[in-house]
Amino acid sequence: DAGITQSPRYKITETGRQVTLMCHQTWSHSYMFWYRQDLGHGLRLIYYSAAADITDKGEVPDGYVVSRSKTENFPLTLESATRSQTSVYFCASSVGGGFEETQYFGPGTRLLVL
Amino acid sequence: ELKVEQNPLFLSMQEGKNYTIYCNYSTTSDRLYWYRQDPGKSLESLFVLLSNGAVKQEGRLMASLDTKARLSTLHITAAVHDLSATYFCATPSVGNDMRFGAGTRLTVKP
Repeated sequence: DAGITQSPRYKITETGRQVTLMCHQTWSHSYMFWYRQDLGHGLRLIYYSAAADITDKGEVPDGYVVSRSKTENFPLTLESATRSQTSVYFCASSVGGGFEETQYFGPGTRLLVL
Repeated sequence: ELKVEQNPLFLSMQEGKNYTIYCNYSTTSDRLYWYRQDPGKSLESLFVLLSNGAVKQEGRLMASLDTKARLSTLHITAAVHDLSATYFCATPSVGNDMRFGAGTRLTVKP
C-alpha cells in the first residue's frame, strides 16, 4: 500500500531487551522522523533523518538508535528497553525542507515495556 | 528553548456553539501547523500557516497566525460531534526540531 507504514503496530517487551520499530514510506520523501507520544507531553522528537545515511538527534534521543541505509526505511531501535520507554511511537515523513514542510504520520506503534 | 503552549487542554462544548483554541509559542517562528488526532489514531494535517497574518479555513475550522504575538488560533464555528478529537499545534524550532503543544482534547456534545 502507498503511504507510510509502521510495524509492529503493538509490541510488548521486557526491560533490558532490544526492540526495533520499523517505518517504511513509499513517497520517496527526503525527511523522516521518529516521535514518541506520552500523555501530557504531546509529541516529542526522538531522531530525524534528512536523507539516506544522514541522521540527527531530536529532543529526546537517549536510549534510542536509528539508521537509514535506504530512503524508504527508517528503523528505530531501543537497545535496552526501559519502562520509561513505554509509549506510542509515530514515524513521519516530509517531502523536503525538513521542519518547514507538512509531515505525514504513520499509524503508530504502541510499545509496552514490562 | 522553544515552548509551545495550548489552551485550553480540555474543551467540552455543545453542538452549534463557537469556540477558539489558542497556541502560544515562545520564540520567533513564521510557520505553524495544526494537526488533528482521533482517539487511538495517527495525526492528520489540518492547516499549514506560512506567514504572519495567514488565515486558512476548511469547513467549520479556521486557523490564523500572528507571528508578532507568537500566537495561532483555531476557531471552531457551529461545532458538530464529528469535530470531537485532539488538536495539536506545532512549530519548527531554531535549528532542527519540531515542537508540539500538549494538545487540546475537544468533546462536542449534542
